[in-house]
Amino acid sequence: DGGITQSPKYLFRKEGQNVTLSCEQNLNHDAMYWYRQDPGQGLRLIYYSQIVNDFQKGDIAEGYSVSREKKESFPLTVTSAQKNPTAFYLCASTRSFPGQGGTGELFFGEGSRLTVL
Amino acid sequence: AQSVAQPEDQVNVAEGNPLTVKCTYSVSGNPYLFWYVQYPNRGLQFLLKYITGDNLVKGSYGFEAEFNKSQTSFHLKKPSALVSDSALYFCAVRDGAGSARQLTFGSGTQLTVLP
Repeated sequence: DGGITQSPKYLFRKEGQNVTLSCEQNLNHDAMYWYRQDPGQGLRLIYYSQIVNDFQKGDIAEGYSVSREKKESFPLTVTSAQKNPTAFYLCASTRSFPGQGGTGELFFGEGSRLTVL
Repeated sequence: AQSVAQPEDQVNVAEGNPLTVKCTYSVSGNPYLFWYVQYPNRGLQFLLKYITGDNLVKGSYGFEAEFNKSQTSFHLKKPSALVSDSALYFCAVRDGAGSARQLTFGSGTQLTVLP
């Protein structure tokens, strides 16, 4: 079945450590996204990538880094510079956008919950 | 700038009663509107979308939404609520001429269906 796979589901980190969250999709989607979700808040965009080897900062990119070496993969690294990393992280993808013949709806993975100890 | 407002953090409804989850939006161009549902510790699932055409959109699990251009609203509705509908619901909007990043989410509404 096609979909988006995020791993790990739960992750614990000590302060000062970098951690990498995996996101893999087999939907053949060009665009991929990372969102952060905190209780009582909507989704906030961290980074997004429209094509391989290209990505842009979202609204809260500080303390995070990404890479897009393959179409299927868009890993997110939470660095030690991120002061409050405890959150639920969601990866998403979309096939095409308005203007490209699509509607831009997002397909989401099941999320990764990061807790800083 | 585009925005989405979900004015109710929490909506409670009795099982079998109709439910409404409210959403209003602001966008400069033609709106592309979406509803998603999220169960605890899960990702978001797509429910329905409005792009153009009929103002009443039908989606998954018996949900529907009504697009009202004059009131810039896109309320989610269901004629008869189920306990299993209890979840967090997000409204989202995209500018029809927008770029890759321009999907804005509301803050979410927690729906609780009481048995």
